[in-house]
Amino acid sequence: NAGVTQTPKFQVLKTGQSMTLQCAQDMNHEYMSWYRQDPGMGLRLIHYSVGAGITDQGEVPNGYNVSRSTTEDFPLRLLSAAPSQTSVYFCASYKQGTGNTIYFGEGSWLTVV
Amino acid sequence: GQNIDQPTEMTATEGAIVQINCTYQTSGFNGLFWYQQHAGEAPTFLSYNVLDGLEEKGRFSSFLSRSKGYSYLLLKELQMKDSASYLCAAPTGGSYIPTFGRGTSLIVHP
Repeated sequence: NAGVTQTPKFQVLKTGQSMTLQCAQDMNHEYMSWYRQDPGMGLRLIHYSVGAGITDQGEVPNGYNVSRSTTEDFPLRLLSAAPSQTSVYFCASYKQGTGNTIYFGEGSWLTVV
Repeated sequence: GQNIDQPTEMTATEGAIVQINCTYQTSGFNGLFWYQQHAGEAPTFLSYNVLDGLEEKGRFSSFLSRSKGYSYLLLKELQMKDSASYLCAAPTGGSYIPTFGRGTSLIVHP
């Protein structure tokens, strides 16, 4: 039972480069989301999805893109990396009615230089 | 939307009891989560309250008052391993996607 799988765990990017953080879950959860976590800021919602083909913006969406072509996958794309995007990123999935537990990936540590 | 407030930092002694408060303002309520997060790790689930009252789970208990927009996490018989950040979160009314508070850093000392 893999749960939420998030890759890569560590990544260093140069300013202006693009990359994709991958997230996959095998629990058939409808809801998936991406958060970033910075010191003293808690978890801030970037984008979320309530089902395949449906995505919406969270609190801090600028500079990020998402898609949800399947229930299992929810990749996060950085279009043109900036030093302000240096952060820890967490993918999460959730299904209403399964004890209402949010499952997190292990996190991705991203540094933009 | 959501507005979630919790203290930034608390300290307590090993063996003691500590209460971490969380207040929220929401346009729609769908329950309240508490998560524990150790440094360098992902958050792990502690509790979910959707009805008023106290729910006990071992050394950890969580309380909710929907009319007051208030919750607390109660940790008993503190252990050194309880030193962590404790996150309060509440899903937004339509989407069930949680918004998190900034977290309370708990330091347990001998």
